[in-house]
Amino acid sequence: QQQVKQSPQSLIVQKGGISIINCAYENTAFDYFPWYQQFPGKGPALLIAIRPDVSEKKEGRFTISFNKSAKQFSLHIMDSQPGDSATYFCAASMEKLVFGKGTKLTVNP
Amino acid sequence: EPEVTQTPSHQVTQMGQEVILRCVPISNHLYFYWYRQILGQKVEFLVSFYNNEISEKSEIFDDQFSVERPDGSNFTLKIRSTKLEDSAMYFCASSEYSGRIYNEQFFGPGTRLTVL
Repeated sequence: QQQVKQSPQSLIVQKGGISIINCAYENTAFDYFPWYQQFPGKGPALLIAIRPDVSEKKEGRFTISFNKSAKQFSLHIMDSQPGDSATYFCAASMEKLVFGKGTKLTVNP
Repeated sequence: EPEVTQTPSHQVTQMGQEVILRCVPISNHLYFYWYRQILGQKVEFLVSFYNNEISEKSEIFDDQFSVERPDGSNFTLKIRSTKLEDSAMYFCASSEYSGRIYNEQFFGPGTRLTVL
């Protein structure tokens, strides 16, 4: 019930392409869904977040799509750049953050 | 831009020794958290702290662990008798509001703990 399932585990995209990472949850009490970006040796950095009363949120090249009935949400990175190469974690929250296992994104030049 | 800071960046210790990991949360934040990340795995919640009390703790956070806010700025995690399996990155995070309202948690750069 407390798990957040994330896929794929790794993703390789060409520069300019769209990166899509998916997450699913079970606990309907979660009320906040952030995405974090982590570079090697660094702490997770908040990228974008959404609340369940909204179906989509866009910030620059990053978009979260949220499907409350399916209990799924996804991160879309448009026009992916080599600098986007990092590990991305979805999370769900009531108080504490419950993280997915992460997706290692590689954007090839 | 305000940020969470952590010291030391890397701590090496012998099994059975006590370690204290230190964090300085963002100054106007009221909610504090410790998470850990074993190499190559997901980030796991350890404990949350508010108003000088533990709000929630995970099953990982057993009697060997304790947290303290000894003054107005520092937030510490103590591991009383380290085990090999405690080797991980430990992240401190802070937020201005509680999770029920708006839970934007900001993470520090982490302390890599190596237990030999």
